[in-house]
Amino acid sequence: GENVEQHPSTLSVQEGDSAVIKCTYSDSASNYFPWYKQELGKGPQLIIDIRSNVGEKKDQRIAVTLNKTAKHFSLHITETQPEDSAVYFCAASSNDYKLSFGAGTTVTVRA
Amino acid sequence: NAGVTQTPKFRVLKTGQSMTLLCAQDMNHEYMYWYRQDPGMGLRLIHYSVGEGTTAKGEVPDGYNVSRLKKQNFLLGLESAAPSQTSVYFCASGLARASGKLFFGSGTQLSVL
Repeated sequence: GENVEQHPSTLSVQEGDSAVIKCTYSDSASNYFPWYKQELGKGPQLIIDIRSNVGEKKDQRIAVTLNKTAKHFSLHITETQPEDSAVYFCAASSNDYKLSFGAGTTVTVRA
Repeated sequence: NAGVTQTPKFRVLKTGQSMTLLCAQDMNHEYMYWYRQDPGMGLRLIHYSVGEGTTAKGEVPDGYNVSRLKKQNFLLGLESAAPSQTSVYFCASGLARASGKLFFGSGTQLSVL
């Protein structure tokens, strides 16, 4: 099955700086890569996703990049704000209904 | 529109006890899932369902059973709870035509003593 590795496990950044989280996947058939944000005491929520026919996607301060050859994808958060503090999960899927998640990255934005 | 609702939110069990976690969604989603979340291990899929009356095993199904008798409900059962099942359980649902875009409930914190 699919194996998704996520780094780093924790990330502390100064407010206003950028944050980058990286994930690698093992199944070359994977074609869908979502990112979820989990705030304390809540369930994960989809924040951005990318399909394998696209190299980069941006939504305001959040961007995701995909390198199919190297089988890795990354989440970039620019101009970080306190409300960006959360746990972020990457995921990968090779079919339409099953996701394999990374272990998560705890992001702390320091004021 | 409540989205995905999980009950209960917290539960403490003794080893060997049984219980059922209920998940309900009001978005008419075809797909429903049960995940468990443990520190440093991310979200691991226990069981899932691609439609009413269907269920399938995920990556960590042992010790759990599920049922989907109605499209809007997905039940997760523990027949004989073990301390290793102490975890936070999340239910999720999704549309068949919006692959991978899952909506999660707020979780159930389960402790097995």
